[in-house]
Amino acid sequence: GAVVSQHPSWVICKSGTSVKIECRSLDFQATTMFWYRQFPKQSLMLMATSNEGSKATHEQGVEKDKFLINHASLTLSTLTVTSAHPEDSSFYICSAIGQTQETQYFGPGTRLLVL
Amino acid sequence: SQQGEEDPQALSIQEGENATMNCSYKTSINNLQWYRQNSGRGLVHLILIRSNEREKHSGRLRVTLDTSKKSSSLLITASRAADTASYFCATGSGYSTLTFGKGTMLLVSP
Repeated sequence: GAVVSQHPSWVICKSGTSVKIECRSLDFQATTMFWYRQFPKQSLMLMATSNEGSKATHEQGVEKDKFLINHASLTLSTLTVTSAHPEDSSFYICSAIGQTQETQYFGPGTRLLVL
Repeated sequence: SQQGEEDPQALSIQEGENATMNCSYKTSINNLQWYRQNSGRGLVHLILIRSNEREKHSGRLRVTLDTSKKSSSLLITASRAADTASYFCATGSGYSTLTFGKGTMLLVSP
């Protein structure tokens, strides 16, 4: 149980385009979902926290209009990287937690390369 | 800033040996969790230890927590090549919020 999926697993796009990444909790209802970014050989940095049905809370230094987050249902959150630039190239990982759970369950990650 | 700091940054051992990783943190916590990440993949939850617990076991894993020293250790016994991965500690101070350390890269050679 407690499986989280992400789609796509990798994406290559041109600079200036927008990219949408989906995060789904497959077998539980995720009251809260988290989006992280990880650069090579670095730790995970929390970008934003989203609760179903409400606006996401972005961490300091993370532009909310650049990294749009939608958490419209208890099983789906999306991260849209708008007007992507090469410096946005990274590994994006989502996680989810349900109301009765103590731990976050992580998706397999999405590798984004912006050319 | 990151809460947890793992030590060592990298560890290379032979199969069958034990691997010990340490994590130090700075502020009060509700719990501390250890995760494993294989290269280019998501994180897999290994074990959670609460602030009122001192030791916890799960299979070949043993985790200790010393809140007076604000530190934790993860011991993997009888390591296998499949244990090769990065290991992160993450501290929780509120509902579900986690702060990750920089991780320890473990290489287990056959």
